[in-house]
Amino acid sequence: AQSVSQHNHHVILSEAASLELGCNYSYGGTVNLFWYVQYPGQHLQLLLKYFSGDPLVKGIKGFEAEFIKSKFSFNLRKPSVQWSDTAEYFCAVNRGGSYIPTFGRGTSLIVHP
Amino acid sequence: DTGVSQNPRHKITKRGQNVTFRCDPISEHNRLYWYRQTLGQGPEFLTYFQNEAQLEKSRLLSDRFSAERPKGSFSTLEIQRTEQGDSAMYLCASSFGRVSYNEQFFGPGTRLTVL
Repeated sequence: AQSVSQHNHHVILSEAASLELGCNYSYGGTVNLFWYVQYPGQHLQLLLKYFSGDPLVKGIKGFEAEFIKSKFSFNLRKPSVQWSDTAEYFCAVNRGGSYIPTFGRGTSLIVHP
Repeated sequence: DTGVSQNPRHKITKRGQNVTFRCDPISEHNRLYWYRQTLGQGPEFLTYFQNEAQLEKSRLLSDRFSAERPKGSFSTLEIQRTEQGDSAMYLCASSFGRVSYNEQFFGPGTRLTVL
């Protein structure tokens, strides 16, 4: 069965620090990749996604992610975090052609002002 | 608000009781999903609909769970004979279109507590 691993469960940073959250998946075929974010008290919402083309994708609020097929990874990055980035971040993967994503267990990010 | 809505937002019930949750997706969205999320975990797929047809159910989904989406609009998720292990956040999401990389729009969830 397909699995998604997020190795960092809790991350604490100070404002202006750089962020990288890891995401690895187990499926070897064509995949669609997503990062969703849940801000405190809000719904899950899409941060960015990859389905084809340039493996470096840019999302909202200055986030980006790089798809490295050989490493089965889709790591999320932001060069300088803000206090408002405090949230839960979820990586999700679905096989190309499938409408059902598998989510990782999430990473809780706390940014201190 | 034109987003996905879910009712009730919270439900406390006693073990053995039946509960039903409702989800109203974004109006033009043809796909509707149900997930379960427990503390410290990501959303876990339960079932999904394309219009009114239920196309897939998780193999982990107990027979006590049933979902409907009459007329391809709102959906209900019923849990019969609830157990303490059913305590979780139940999320609904919807999406539009025919491609598998379209984003899903999530509702606020229904938090179920089984005593």
